[in-house]
Amino acid sequence: DAGVTQSPTHLIKTRGQQVTLRCSPKSGHDTVSWYQQALGQGPQFIFQYYEEEERQRGNFPDRFSGHQFPNYSSELNVNALLLGDSALYLCASSLRMTGIAKNIQYFGAGTRLSVL
Amino acid sequence: AQSVTQLDSHVSVSEGTPVLLRCNYSSSYSPSLFWYVQHPNKGLQLLLKYTSAATLVKGINGFEAEFKKSETSFHLTKPSAHMSDAAEYFCVVGYTSGGGADGLTFGKGTHLIIQP
Repeated sequence: DAGVTQSPTHLIKTRGQQVTLRCSPKSGHDTVSWYQQALGQGPQFIFQYYEEEERQRGNFPDRFSGHQFPNYSSELNVNALLLGDSALYLCASSLRMTGIAKNIQYFGAGTRLSVL
Repeated sequence: AQSVTQLDSHVSVSEGTPVLLRCNYSSSYSPSLFWYVQHPNKGLQLLLKYTSAATLVKGINGFEAEFKKSETSFHLTKPSAHMSDAAEYFCVVGYTSGGGADGLTFGKGTHLIIQP
């Protein structure tokens, strides 16, 4: 049973460029959340996708956008990259069951983005 | 709004001695609380979770945590440290809405160092 997988593992971009990160959730999971982890900090919640819609969003600008596909996989897009976007981007998946709080998110190993 | 404070950025213990990692939380509602561990260049792994059942929660690798509502604390302990425990530990608060897990709020992390 594959866990949460993310690609690519590393990425180098320059300021102003756009980037797309990808995530495949754990088998059987239907919800994907994205987090940004700056060096030496705890992860910060970016947004969450369920049923191909953004359900919840953290305090991130509109330059950060996402998408969820019918197979539950997800993409994170960042436009107009800034130096401060350099971070480890983590994807987490979970199972959303009405009336039952599963509330456990499983994390991938992340994509390390460096903006030069 | 919720927040998490990890009281120590670094903790150093000798192998075979007890470990205590301290965490306080602030929440308007009854939260779910978690401890995650992050080894270098690896993803986040769930150690244990509290979801309003027993206040003493046992996790993997001999770790346990006690939920104390009156103190708004959720400290992580282990009776005897092992070299493999050296890692970054995150205290996390989360909620459920509509039956699913919301975006998580992480503390800044505690770096656990194990001295031989």
